[in-house]
Amino acid sequence: DTAVSQTPKYLVTQMGNDKSIKCEQNLGHDTMYWYKQDSKKFLKIMFSYNNKELIINETVPNRFSPKSPDKAHLNLHINSLELGDSAVYFCASSQGSKLNQPQHFGDGTRLSIL
Amino acid sequence: AQKITQTQPGMFVQEKEAVTLDCTYDTSDPSYGLFWYKQPSSGEMIFLIYQGSYDQQNATEGRYSLNFQKARKSANLVISASQLGDSAMYFCAMRLGSSNTGKLIFGQGTTLQVKP
Repeated sequence: DTAVSQTPKYLVTQMGNDKSIKCEQNLGHDTMYWYKQDSKKFLKIMFSYNNKELIINETVPNRFSPKSPDKAHLNLHINSLELGDSAVYFCASSQGSKLNQPQHFGDGTRLSIL
Repeated sequence: AQKITQTQPGMFVQEKEAVTLDCTYDTSDPSYGLFWYKQPSSGEMIFLIYQGSYDQQNATEGRYSLNFQKARKSANLVISASQLGDSAMYFCAMRLGSSNTGKLIFGQGTTLQVKP
């Protein structure tokens, strides 16, 4: 069973469209994250949710809106897609925010804007 | 400012040899955790090893060990007996104890190629 699963794996769309990426974890974790990996492979936190409550929003444009319907899901909706949004988006989860708890990552969603 | 630096963009190692991937960090927080992740060409992020700032001993996990030098603020990953499957990008990351968010701060990554 996949621990953290994201769909879709690939997303190709045109500028100006709205798209969503779904994430689900079956690890029983209470904290979920979205990271963005740019073309230079640099990873940066975007959002973090703990028990469905937003705890991090790292100066991400308002076009990005995360939604957590329950502890096991954290979806990412992006409005009015721009060329600069092209990246790989990773969902991750961990049990709380204790120092020694590793984050488990999904396989990533490669978003390409035409 | 909290920062992770990986100064080696790319490294080569001969199969069965050991290799060290460098990581230095910057934080004034006395409590922090350091992580290493592996990203193969297939793209997934795989957790390898963890070291806490208060841990007395260097962490080890199978062929992976962490050379933790707190005074130098370095947490280098050592991979022993390299295998072809170790070819990947490796990321060092830090989590701060003072932060309730649990977010990871990543370095730029090091690409490792294992030669047969």
